[in-house]
Parts: sequence; C-alpha cells; structure tokens
Amino acid sequence: AQKITQTQPGMFVQEKEAVTLDCTYDTSDPSYGLFWYKQPSSGEMIFLIYQGSYDQQNATEGRYSLNFQKARKSANLVISASQLGDSAMYFCAMRGGLFSSSASKIIFGSGTRLSIRP
Amino acid sequence: DVKVTQSSRYLVKRTGEKVFLECVQDMDHENMFWYRQDPGLGLRLIYFSYDVKMKEKGDIPEGYSVSREKKERFSLILESASTNQTSMYLCASNLDGYNQPQHFGDGTRLSIL
Repeated sequence: AQKITQTQPGMFVQEKEAVTLDCTYDTSDPSYGLFWYKQPSSGEMIFLIYQGSYDQQNATEGRYSLNFQKARKSANLVISASQLGDSAMYFCAMRGGLFSSSASKIIFGSGTRLSIRP
Repeated sequence: DVKVTQSSRYLVKRTGEKVFLECVQDMDHENMFWYRQDPGLGLRLIYFSYDVKMKEKGDIPEGYSVSREKKERFSLILESASTNQTSMYLCASNLDGYNQPQHFGDGTRLSIL
C-alpha cells in the first residue's frame, strides 16, 4: 500500500531564510509521481512542483525545489528566501505506479503548517 | 482556466439524512476525486473516478458512495449521515497524464448535527 508521511506538523522560519519541508513516502511501484501543494488560509489548493520517479534531476520551479532522494524515499520541498506570503499549509502527494491498477490514485500527507516570522 | 465547482460552500444536515455533494469541472478531465480534510490528518481520499461510470475506493470509503454519470460531474453521497462525517470535503480533477497536477474546488464545509 502507498503511504505519504509528513513528520513536521508546524514550523516557524524567519523571513528570507531557506526552509525545508520533509516528505517521505512508501510504495512498491517502480514508477510514481510526487507533488507538492500549498494551501493558504483562504483554503485554495495551489500546485507547486512535480517530481517523477524516473526524473534524473531534481525539479525546480522558481523559489521552490525538490530534494528527491529515491533510495531514502524522500521528496523534501525546499523554499529559498522565504517570504511572508509563504505562510500556509503544505501538502506532499503521491500518484500511483504508471502501470498499476490504481495509476490515477493520488494520496496526500497530513501536511505541515509553515509560519514565516517578519 | 480550469474551473472545479462544488455546489455548496457550507452545508448543514441532520444525522441519518442522505446527503449529496456535487462537483463539476469544465476542462474535460478524465480523473475526478473526493477527499475529506480534517485538522492533523491532511487530505484523505474517499473515492476517485478515472472515467464515466468508473470508480475506485480510496482509503476511507466507508459510509460514502459516488456517482459519475457524465464526464464533467462527480457526486459524493453520504447514505446516512453521521456526526463523524462533519468535515471539509474537497473535490479535484486532473488530466490522465502522469505528471498532471490536480485542480481543486473551493471545498464544502459539511456539518452533521
């Protein structure tokens, strides 16, 4: 069975510092996809970044990068130069194996609440 | 821009009632999902559908059923609502590409009294 674990319920970070949000996963599928989403206090879910299990390089999108360590089954989100607007809930998600019976299934972790201090 | 619309933002129902939550997407997405979001538990998958009339159980399907008669609409049904189903319900959809992100509705905050 697939599982996503986010072990940091909450984090406080000083503005302009870099922050790493942890995500570990468990799957027996050799092919899978990993996503990060941001949920501000307004409640909308905003897609941030994607990493495929066969991607050779770590994904980057502006200030967001994904520290993908396949052997450790971790996909940590790194936010560089944090801003006040980065305060939000962050969720890690995983899509099942491409050729599995549940290839369309996407599950989420419990989330990390990030608070940026001015 | 992709639009995922959930029929109600807030809903209050009574224990034992049959409750329908509706979700419509306007971008011809193959996949649609229902999650519930509870503090400390994140988003938990109830059901998903990868095609019309096709459905798969998620991690917490007990007490729920779904219907997808048309591609754009995915309904979540609480057969006999109970107080432990009080939660925020999120609908999402995506294309069937492997790296396709989900698009979410605004959520329905459901209270069962």
